[in-house]
Amino acid sequence: ETGVTQTPRHLVMGMTNKKSLKCEQHLGHNAMYWYKQSAKKPLELMFVYNFKEQTENNSVPSRFSPECPNSSHLFLHLHTLQPEDSALYLCASSQDQTSLTGELFFGEGSRLTVL
Amino acid sequence: GENVEQHPSTLSVQEGDSAVIKCTYSDSASNYFPWYKQELGKGPQLIIDIRSNVGEKKDQRIAVTLNKTAKHFSLHITETQPEDSAVYFCAGYSGAGSYQLTFGKGTKLSVIP
Repeated sequence: ETGVTQTPRHLVMGMTNKKSLKCEQHLGHNAMYWYKQSAKKPLELMFVYNFKEQTENNSVPSRFSPECPNSSHLFLHLHTLQPEDSALYLCASSQDQTSLTGELFFGEGSRLTVL
Repeated sequence: GENVEQHPSTLSVQEGDSAVIKCTYSDSASNYFPWYKQELGKGPQLIIDIRSNVGEKKDQRIAVTLNKTAKHFSLHITETQPEDSAVYFCAGYSGAGSYQLTFGKGTKLSVIP
């Protein structure tokens, strides 16, 4: 496999469920990102990991919990979500965070629906 | 922080015509401006970018222009084709204090055959 792979592609969960989104990159990058994409809103950066260390947390509610066990894998753990959390969650990677050479490589996203 | 405004939100053109999407930014320290294309069911993909030391950059049918004084930049697509139909996002990056891109809200381009 190549590029950035996200699983699952679609997820429906109740507000009391606990689920996780997974992202894997095969590009040898050192920075990984979670973005939230909602209709008619700009892409919202949620978390950044650079060399496995969390470097950005854009005031994301604690019901979203990221995990980065190594530079190739990124998880987003979800619990007690709200309906307004329904969105497309995009994972991305780049060479590293501080030398932005120009390209974020995005996965195809995980479409989350919270009932 | 940076604020990026993008217009229009939707754009329809006849196949073969040109399309122009415009963005403005607020942070005069911003020095890097990429454009991403997102096709239906896929993640955004970089199509072209420009740095603040350049006024224009071209790659086949797409070009980007940058006016630092006015703090705006534009994407130009010539000879549009149906496969150009997608959502296009501009972004700005200042690198000062926060190493992250600020995206515009996107423009949905429809190319009518």
